[in-house]
This record gives sequence, structure tokens and C-alpha cells, in this order.
Amino acid sequence: DIQMTQSPSSLSASIGDRVTITCRASQGISNYLAWFQQKPGKVPNLLIYGASTLQSGVPSRFSGSGSGTDFTLTISSLQPEDVATYYCQKYNSAPKTFGQGTKVEI
Amino acid sequence: EVQLLESGGGLVQPGGSLRLSCAASGFSFSTQAMTWVRQAPGKGLEWVSSLTGSGSSTDYADSVKGRFTVSRDNSKNTLYLQMNSLSVDDTAIYYCAKSRAGSCYSCALDIWGQGTMVTVSS
Repeated sequence: DIQMTQSPSSLSASIGDRVTITCRASQGISNYLAWFQQKPGKVPNLLIYGASTLQSGVPSRFSGSGSGTDFTLTISSLQPEDVATYYCQKYNSAPKTFGQGTKVEI
Repeated sequence: EVQLLESGGGLVQPGGSLRLSCAASGFSFSTQAMTWVRQAPGKGLEWVSSLTGSGSSTDYADSVKGRFTVSRDNSKNTLYLQMNSLSVDDTAIYYCAKSRAGSCYSCALDIWGQGTMVTVSS
């Protein structure tokens, strides 16, 4: 099975900082990669699909890139409401594995 | 408005069974691939199972294969997860979610329900 590894597992940054989260697949998955944001006590929210396509309604400060095995989620200017845990997920085939998550704090 | 509403969670003893339901509204349920995802307390997201719009094709995580069965009743716009031989490791919030693009089985999950809590304990 393909493993999904996120780094870092947690980070602390200041308001306005550029934040980058990495997700690595143990084998190539083309661009079948999604990013989710989960705020404390809330349901996961789709941010990015197809590795780089912004879901409707998601602020443009979020962006995704990558293909194959290496992917990146970038928050261009961190805002207080971005405090959350972020997960990547491969969805090309089963098992549709999630990364372990990256907790973002201010 | 697109909505997913899970129900059926609760407290069950190890070795017991439970059936979760996910009632869908606001979209064409019968053509939509659906997925179950769970989250143990304080832990990350774990994909559990997916099935196609017709229900003819299903997939399961190794951790639940042979114990859990996913199904759907398109006449009732409802997704199910039958969970047997439950263990403490199955304690989690269980979410249902729909595929972003209709019948697409290999698409991201765009709408999630609020989840239902399953607690396995003696």
C-alpha cells in the first residue's frame, strides 16, 4: 500500500507568515491528492483537489502544488482563522490513505 | 442545500455490532460515490470504506476488512456501515462524505456529515 507522510507534524508561525506543508507519497499518485483543513471540534473541509485546484469558496491564500510523489500546501499569509490541522489524502485508488496531519498554530 | 446526516452511533461492548446510517439530501444520491472516514479521539483521519453509486463496487481499509460492510439504499437516499466484531480500536467519530464529482469514484471528498460517535467499551 502507498503511504502518505506529512511534514512537519506541527508548526508555529506568526500572522502574515508564509507557511508550507509537505506531503510525500511512497509511490507515484499522479495528481490524485487532496488537502483538508480541520479546525478544532469541526468537520474536515476540502481545500484543494487535483493537487492544485482550489475548492470553491476557499480563500486564495491557500495553494497546492506537486505531482507524482511530492506535494505542497502553502498558506501565503497566515491568518488567525487558519489555526487548524491539515491533512493530505490520496484518492486515486484504495486504500485512500490520509497523511498523519500537520497542526498549525499561531 | 447538500446535507449528510449520520446516525446510529453509541456505546457497544467489545465483540458487538452496530449499524451506522447516513441520510443524504440536496443532491443526486443514487449516482454519487460515497465514503466513510473515521477519527479516533485525539487522532488523525482514517479512510474506512468507499462504494460506487450503484453499490456494485466497494473497498475497505485492511483494519476493517471482513468485519465492516458498506451498503446503500438509493430509494431511501441512505448510506450504511454495518460494523461487526467491534474492538476498542474502533472507537471513533465516523463521518460519511460524498465524492466531489458525481459518480467519480476517484475524486476528492467535498461534503462531510457532522459525524456519529462510536464507543466500544466494556
